[in-house]
Amino acid sequence: GAVVSQHPSRVICKSGTSVKIECRSLDFQATTMFWYRQFPKQSLMLMATSNEGSKATYEQGVEKDKFLINHASLTLSTLTVTSAHPEDSSFYICSARDQGLHNEQFFGPGTRLTVL
Amino acid sequence: AQSVTQPDIHITVSEGASLELRCNYSYGATPYLFWYVQSPGQGLQLLLKYFSGDTLVQGIKGFEAEFKRSQSSFNLRKPSVHWSDAAEYFCAVGAQLGNDMRFGAGTRLTVKP
Repeated sequence: GAVVSQHPSRVICKSGTSVKIECRSLDFQATTMFWYRQFPKQSLMLMATSNEGSKATYEQGVEKDKFLINHASLTLSTLTVTSAHPEDSSFYICSARDQGLHNEQFFGPGTRLTVL
Repeated sequence: AQSVTQPDIHITVSEGASLELRCNYSYGATPYLFWYVQSPGQGLQLLLKYFSGDTLVQGIKGFEAEFKRSQSSFNLRKPSVHWSDAAEYFCAVGAQLGNDMRFGAGTRLTVKP
């Protein structure tokens, strides 16, 4: 089956630093990937849609300069949290759309970000 | 715009008892509907999905869900709950397969011995 990985699974960083999270589709090509954010005991909120070779589309209220998304290849999208602050601490989950499997989305295992 | 409501924030059932988790959606056309399960600190695992056809869909781990257009509902059921079913359950709706999905707030399931 289609598999999506995320790296790292867990990261702790100091306030003011930048953190990069990778999302990879391991056995299929994904022209579209999605980035979600989940606060403790809350649901997933879509942050942005990442399209290979073009700019990401951000949801209302999400700062595009704060959360940089790059989708440079058909198997990799990255989310960079710039100048991270404690309020950015959250669980970040990506998903990738498999066009060969009726466009179904597959989710990564998530990345736990803690900003001190 | 599509939206999803999961009315129950937390449900507790005894092991071996039956389970029903409620999900209501709002969407103008026939939506694509999903149920996911999430264990603490983990990603999402797809339990089942509905696109079209038979309104009763079978999923993994003994779960099933029924699409009822008249009630705008897609409730998840399991006849006999196991302790390992304790987790967070999310209902999600998409306007078109593959487009971004909107998630419900989730229902946390606790299973009593």
